[in-house]
Amino acid sequence: GAVVSQHPSRVICKSGTSVKIECRSLDFQATTMFWYRQFPKQSLMLMATSNEGSKATYEQGVEKDKFLINHASLTLSTLTVTSAHPEDSSFYICSASLPNTEAFFGQGTRLTVV
Amino acid sequence: GQQVMQIPQYQHVQEGEDFTTYCNSSTTLSNIQWYKQRPGGHPVFLIQLVKSGEVKKQKRLTFQFGEAKKNSSLHITATQTTDVGTYFCGVNRDDKIIFGKGTRLHILP
Repeated sequence: GAVVSQHPSRVICKSGTSVKIECRSLDFQATTMFWYRQFPKQSLMLMATSNEGSKATYEQGVEKDKFLINHASLTLSTLTVTSAHPEDSSFYICSASLPNTEAFFGQGTRLTVV
Repeated sequence: GQQVMQIPQYQHVQEGEDFTTYCNSSTTLSNIQWYKQRPGGHPVFLIQLVKSGEVKKQKRLTFQFGEAKKNSSLHITATQTTDVGTYFCGVNRDDKIIFGKGTRLHILP
């Protein structure tokens, strides 16, 4: 199956700093990637749809100025958590898929803001 | 928007017992997908169901899609410790995949 690589897998940052998470599709071109957030023992909450060459589409309640998404190429999307605070600590996962097919997930990034 | 309800939220079973998780939608689905997420890991695709009444098997796992294409189930026969994890159903909506809340399976030895 297709491979999606996410980096870093873990990051600890100080409150007020920004953190960038990368998501790469390694063997197919993904015009669309998705970013999810998952709290412990809970479901995957879709944050935004990352569209190559255009602005991301954010789900209701997700602050676009807080969670900056850039999809500069067909194989790379980045999520930047700006001015991180402890409540931003979570597991962030990206995925990529072709229309109406299964999702391939990155390994996830566990963010801890101290 | 399209929601998919998944039950139960948690399930504890003795090793060797069967397990079933269910997903239900108020609207007709074009397809439904199932994923497994091991503790500490990321979701991994298991299967996609497309046809009304479809039944697919993967070893001890049986997946069903309802006749009305509004519900689906995942059944595990004779659970093993390797089955531990959270099972999610996912449905396509506007080129996105929306996930159920997941069923967390815990196996008692």
